[in-house]
Amino acid sequence: KNQVEQSPQSLIILEGKNCTLQCNYTVSPFSNLRWYKQDTGRGPVSLTIMTFSENTKSNGRYTATLDADTKQSSLHITASQLSDSASYICVVSGTAAGNKLTFGGGTRVLVKP
Amino acid sequence: NAGVTQTPKFRVLKTGQSMTLLCAQDMNHEYMYWYRQDPGMGLRLIHYSVGEGTTAKGEVPDGYNVSRLKKQNFLLGLESAAPSQTSVYFCASSYRQGRVVSTGELFFGEGSRLTVL
Repeated sequence: KNQVEQSPQSLIILEGKNCTLQCNYTVSPFSNLRWYKQDTGRGPVSLTIMTFSENTKSNGRYTATLDADTKQSSLHITASQLSDSASYICVVSGTAAGNKLTFGGGTRVLVKP
Repeated sequence: NAGVTQTPKFRVLKTGQSMTLLCAQDMNHEYMYWYRQDPGMGLRLIHYSVGEGTTAKGEVPDGYNVSRLKKQNFLLGLESAAPSQTSVYFCASSYRQGRVVSTGELFFGEGSRLTVL
């Protein structure tokens, strides 16, 4: 069964500090992996996409990594800001028929001043 | 462009009542989806549509019906609401999978919070 596990479930960090979120998946065959940011009371918004051949990709202060061999991805937030307080959701897409998406449970990040 | 718009944003129902959630997108997307989001469970797919006039069941379809009479609209219906359907519902849309310009990015609405008493 395709699964996406995220850790930690939640974390609290001080403004200006860095943090790393983890995503482990069992989806096979693999197509791509997206990280979404979901602000409280809003819908998720895509931050970045990782395909099989990509190891790292940055979007401002967000850097995603992918290790397709170990089926792990991480999202690193640099110099956190209060606006980074949100849930971060890892979504993996497979290449099987229908190309269904498998969602992780998300990591809730709270940035404190 | 408005993107994906959901109505209503909030609704309280009594057990057994019916209602319809409306989703509209102005991006000419082929695919549309309805998800529910519950604490600790992440987003779960209810129904989806790959084009006008077509619908398919997702992971948790029981108790829901959908219709896609127009490409830009996707309706989610609850015929007889139950307390277990208390949730936040998200509509999303995307280009057809496999298009060069898209690798499956979902564009979400703002959500509809439904409470069933």
